[in-house]
Amino acid sequence: KAGVTQTPRYLIKTRGQQVTLSCSPISGHRSVSWYQQTPGQGLQFLFEYFSETQRNKGNFPGRFSGRQFSNSRSEMNVSTLELGDSALYLCASSLVPGVGQPQHFGDGTRLSIL
Amino acid sequence: TQLLEQSPQFLSIQEGENLTVYCNSSSVFSSLQWYRQEPGEGPVLLVTVVTGGEVKKLKRLTFQFGDARKDSSLHITAAQPGDTGLYLCAGGGGSNYKLTFGKGTLLTVNP
Repeated sequence: KAGVTQTPRYLIKTRGQQVTLSCSPISGHRSVSWYQQTPGQGLQFLFEYFSETQRNKGNFPGRFSGRQFSNSRSEMNVSTLELGDSALYLCASSLVPGVGQPQHFGDGTRLSIL
Repeated sequence: TQLLEQSPQFLSIQEGENLTVYCNSSSVFSSLQWYRQEPGEGPVLLVTVVTGGEVKKLKRLTFQFGDARKDSSLHITAAQPGDTGLYLCAGGGGSNYKLTFGKGTLLTVNP
């Protein structure tokens, strides 16, 4: 069974640019969550999607957005990139949303802002 | 805002030693999960605990959820180099599903 696939694995951008990251969940999983991981702040929740609807959002500025498609694949977009956006962006999928649902993580996209 | 504090932040031990890492909060969680993350990879779920006082064992790893569901511990017996990694606890609760992660314990087991 294929795991969660995130593309690209590595990305280098400059300040002010925008970026789109992609996540393909495990087949049959309908909930997708996004996290930002940095050495200083650890893993921080960005948002969660289920059935193409954003169900939950973390404390990030509006420059961070996402969407989910009918096949459950998800994308996140970051506009007007800042140096502080350099991080590992992780996507996780689960069968359905809910407290205690096991999250299956991809290996992340490493975003570096120059 | 729910916060999870993990301790210690770093731990370096020799193969064969025992260790315990802690995950504490002032908030009550409906469930708590432990993950292990290795360099260059995403976190992998080890266990989910949902009942106060619950103890779960996974080979040499023992997980405990506090009676008040505010804290948890992970105990590793006879650690091996393959146990090296970042151990993360994550709590879930509230009306909306949202996992709150601790910052992790970076464990190094030296051969």
